[in-house]
Amino acid sequence: QVQLQESGPGLVKPSETLSLTCAVSGYSISSGYYWGWIRQPPGKGLEWIGRIYHSGNTYYNPSLKSRVTISLDMSKNQFSLRLSSVTAADTAVYYCTRGHTLNWFDPWGQGTLVTVSS
Amino acid sequence: DIQMTQSPSSLSASVGDRVTITCRASQSISTYLNWYQQKPGKAPKLLIYTASSLQSGVPSRFSGSGSGTDFTLTISGLQPEDFATYYCQQSYSTPLTFGGGTKVEIK
Repeated sequence: QVQLQESGPGLVKPSETLSLTCAVSGYSISSGYYWGWIRQPPGKGLEWIGRIYHSGNTYYNPSLKSRVTISLDMSKNQFSLRLSSVTAADTAVYYCTRGHTLNWFDPWGQGTLVTVSS
Repeated sequence: DIQMTQSPSSLSASVGDRVTITCRASQSISTYLNWYQQKPGKAPKLLIYTASSLQSGVPSRFSGSGSGTDFTLTISGLQPEDFATYYCQQSYSTPLTFGGGTKVEIK
């Protein structure tokens, strides 16, 4: 059974960089599929952030592209998100997920709330 | 970007009711449409992929249909555990986008 678990600071100061890690168990991230991040501001809908293939190729939402980096760590079977120059608008629950070839997402991590505040 | 519009944004229904949720894309997306269920404080859960394929383990009372720009999610015989928010998501092109959600509440 594939499981994903997000980790990282729950509080980030404005203008700093948000960094999260997603640990994957039950499946080797080097074996296939792709791995991605989705966020959800409190009480709002879902926003796709981006994805990384097991090859290392990345695709980002153009609305965030200049600030986002997603990377893989095959040795630890995990992948990471970095979002720079954060503002209060980046406050959200961040989910990591596995993406399928035809771009549906399953499974998802439980999510982690990141608050941007001084 | 492809805009996804769900209707209604919320609805009240009783256990046993048949519920239909609609999702409309701003352009044709063939059958590249997925549905998720989200309960409070939990991550979304995949229900339906490619418009009508039921994800493994999902009860058969959930069904999806549609193609092009108009899609529906139907729950045939609403159960207490089905009260949640439902999201559609287009998987036709990047950036991948979601509908605004439909909250199904108890009448």
